[in-house]
Amino acid sequence: GAVVSQHPSRVICKSGTSVKIECRSLDFQATTMFWYRQFPKQSLMLMATSNEGSKATYEQGVEKDKFLINHASLTLSTLTVTSAHPEDSSFYICSGRGGDQPQHFGDGTRLSIL
Amino acid sequence: GENVEQHPSTLSVQEGDSAVIKCTYSDSASNYFPWYKQELGKGPQLIIDIRSNVGEKKDQRIAVTLNKTAKHFSLHITETQPEDSAVYFCAALPGGNTPLVFGKGTRLSVIA
Repeated sequence: GAVVSQHPSRVICKSGTSVKIECRSLDFQATTMFWYRQFPKQSLMLMATSNEGSKATYEQGVEKDKFLINHASLTLSTLTVTSAHPEDSSFYICSGRGGDQPQHFGDGTRLSIL
Repeated sequence: GENVEQHPSTLSVQEGDSAVIKCTYSDSASNYFPWYKQELGKGPQLIIDIRSNVGEKKDQRIAVTLNKTAKHFSLHITETQPEDSAVYFCAALPGGNTPLVFGKGTRLSVIA
């Protein structure tokens, strides 16, 4: 079946560091990529939607200068958390959708900012 | 906009029993309803989905039913096994190139 690969799976870094998370659709073209944040024991919180070649659309309350999203190709999207602080620590999950494919998720990135 | 309600929030069943999770949606334009299973520390995995032109769909031990008139859909897991323990999310797609709207999830525990 369709697979979305997300890397890295775990990041631990110091406050002030910028962190880049990659999301690749391995066997389908993801015309739309979604980035989510998930707090413990909660549902998925949509951060932004990006269509290939276009600027991302951010949900209310999500700082676009803090969370930079690039979706330059049909198989790759990246999320960069700039100047990360402890409050940015969370589980980030990407998801891709395209063509007749249902929406598939990566396995998430656990970000811990010290 | 679309709103998806999911119940129950937690569910415990004995191994071998059936589990049912129910969701309601508000937007009659929604036409696609997937179910995801999320294991600890992993991303959600699509387990079954149904489109609005179908009333029921089955895949081995799991089935989904859809009642468009009442705007509700349900996930049924039969002969539950410990490995079915996870958090299950329902979702609805309002249409077009819009994001899925998720329920708050159901934590299913299958007790051996």
